[in-house]
Amino acid sequence: AQSVTQPDIHITVSEGASLELRCNYSYGATPYLFWYVQSPGQGLQLLLKYFSGDTLVQGIKGFEAEFKRSQSSFNLRKPSVHWSDAAEYFCAVGAQNTGNQFYFGTGTSLTVIP
Amino acid sequence: GAGVSQTPSNKVTEKGKYVELRCDPISGHTALYWYRQSLGQGPEFLIYFQGTGAADDSGLPNDRFFAVRPEGSVSTLKIQRTERGDSAVYLCASSKTGRRIDTQYFGPGTRLTVL
Repeated sequence: AQSVTQPDIHITVSEGASLELRCNYSYGATPYLFWYVQSPGQGLQLLLKYFSGDTLVQGIKGFEAEFKRSQSSFNLRKPSVHWSDAAEYFCAVGAQNTGNQFYFGTGTSLTVIP
Repeated sequence: GAGVSQTPSNKVTEKGKYVELRCDPISGHTALYWYRQSLGQGPEFLIYFQGTGAADDSGLPNDRFFAVRPEGSVSTLKIQRTERGDSAVYLCASSKTGRRIDTQYFGPGTRLTVL
């Protein structure tokens, strides 16, 4: 069965520091992977996605993620965090053999301290 | 262009009542999805429409939940005999095509509170 694990429930970083949010997935075929960000009271905004090709993908707001098949991971990174990055981050895997639904992790809450 | 819109943004109801939640997808998107997000959790799939038909409703928790998309655009999620456990944020998403994995664009959600 498809599943996504985000091991870190909450992360705190200082403004200007680097960031890495972890995501591990379980899926029997080639995964379609996504990172979304959710600010309080807002919907989910797509940061980036991986379908195929280059395993390092660039997204909006300076984020990037690397697909590592051998580790079943799709970790999100940012070299220098801004206070406005404080939000909830969700990793998701798309499952084409089950109606194209997305399976989401439980999210990682990011706090940025000045 | 306009994104996915959902109304109402908040809905408070009493246990046992009937509610309807509306989703207006991005124009031209053929696929529409409903998810439910409980506090502290990621969104969980409820139902997926390809055009007017429900292509996959395996996520609906029970027969109190029903959704329609009669003209292949706007969708309504209907919950009968609401229970306190139905309290959650209901998210709608749309994608250009549902015939393969495609980026889903989410609306702001409807926060449902059942007292």
